Amino acid sequence: TQLLEQSPQFLSIQEGENLTVYCNSSSVFSSLQWYRQEPGEGPVLLVTVVTGGEVKKLKRLTFQFGDARKDSSLHITAAQPGDTGLYLCAGARYGQNFVFGPGTRLSVLP
Amino acid sequence: NAGVTQTPKFQVLKTGQSMTLQCAQDMNHEYMSWYRQDPGMGLRLIHYSVGAGITDQGEVPNGYNVSRSTTEDFPLRLLSAAPSQTSVYFCASRRGQGFSYEQYFGPGTRLTVT
Repeated sequence: TQLLEQSPQFLSIQEGENLTVYCNSSSVFSSLQWYRQEPGEGPVLLVTVVTGGEVKKLKRLTFQFGDARKDSSLHITAAQPGDTGLYLCAGARYGQNFVFGPGTRLSVLP
Repeated sequence: NAGVTQTPKFQVLKTGQSMTLQCAQDMNHEYMSWYRQDPGMGLRLIHYSVGAGITDQGEVPNGYNVSRSTTEDFPLRLLSAAPSQTSVYFCASRRGQGFSYEQYFGPGTRLTVT
């Protein structure tokens, strides 16, 4: 069983639509990160959240850390083909290394 | 500034062969790590290092060795390759062990063991 679950596993939408992907766990995390990975490349960090209830915005991307620090969501407004990729969340418990979820594969069609 | 570099990009090995995956970073980062990525599994930590001369095991260390003789280099050695080690391997680095430091990944090595 995975420490971090991500849903949905796959998502295909049209350009201009909004979407939300989720990252859930039964564990409490000190820190949670979101990455985007494009084919043939390594993951690239999008954001780090550390406070329960924290909301961070990065242009059209909105990240939220759950109040109990067990879950997180990533919302994309007006998706563009350039948003296509694998979205990974990674959580770290105090004093431990980051653990990655299996990812959500997003495809935005023009 | 090249960031994190990995060689080779692709490799095919026969069962029982050994090889070394190379990783180097030019950002003077203390913390380096190796992950493997398998479909539906996310990235799993193999080994990590908090500085030159210091290494430790991650979640899936069996069958792999590492050493850290310099700050820049962190090679991963497969002692006797097995088909279960077929995967994409990523090296990563960050300034320190703290969670606030951004982690930079290399482009990956795609390894197939037949």
